[in-house]
Amino acid sequence: QSALTQPASVSGSPGQSITISCTGTSSDVGNYDYVSWYQQYPGRAPKLMIYEVTNRPSGVSDRFSGSKSGNTASLTISGLQAEDEADYYCHSYTSRNTHVFGTGTTVTVL
Amino acid sequence: EVQLVESGGELVQPGGSLRLSCVVSGFSFSNYWIHWVRQAPGKGLEWVSRIKSDGSISYADSVKGRFTISRDNAKNTLYLQMNSLRTEDTAVYYCAARGHPGALDYWGQGTQVTVSS
Repeated sequence: QSALTQPASVSGSPGQSITISCTGTSSDVGNYDYVSWYQQYPGRAPKLMIYEVTNRPSGVSDRFSGSKSGNTASLTISGLQAEDEADYYCHSYTSRNTHVFGTGTTVTVL
Repeated sequence: EVQLVESGGELVQPGGSLRLSCVVSGFSFSNYWIHWVRQAPGKGLEWVSRIKSDGSISYADSVKGRFTISRDNAKNTLYLQMNSLRTEDTAVYYCAARGHPGALDYWGQGTQVTVSS
């Protein structure tokens, strides 16, 4: 099972919006709405930010939003803040009854 | 408060074995799907294995045949038996619990496994 493809890095200025893509196949992202996104600071455990493509868990800022089109899911961060600087990973269930993470994206706030 | 606490990570030689544990508190352990996820130094997250509440199990190809996931609902504990360890198994191993469908809502702090001679 190959990792889902994400850009290695994305950057933006405070207040701007950025979008991170996550490209899979018809065997994972394209076939299931079980796509989730995680934020990870260095040396810390990941934190769930989005589940089932578009849903935010309680306590996650509404500046984070998710979407999906075909085999590609996306995470958008609006009103970028310094605290958003972290690594982000997408994740999907697969047709082989396994799970797969994305390659990860480092977000830099300029 | 939901807590997952991993233990058992240590330095082991290639070809060796190790058993990781994950003790869970704060929710009804037996009703939850639990995963193992690992992260090699400087690398991304890699899904390792999952056990459902009904005991159904799945593994990543990279560990199939070498790793065994199990759970003891009476002890609220998840295990990962790792055999025939390779240097590429070196990573921080996290246990994580599904809350929402398809998601890993709750995570432990991780335990370090180092495979080296």
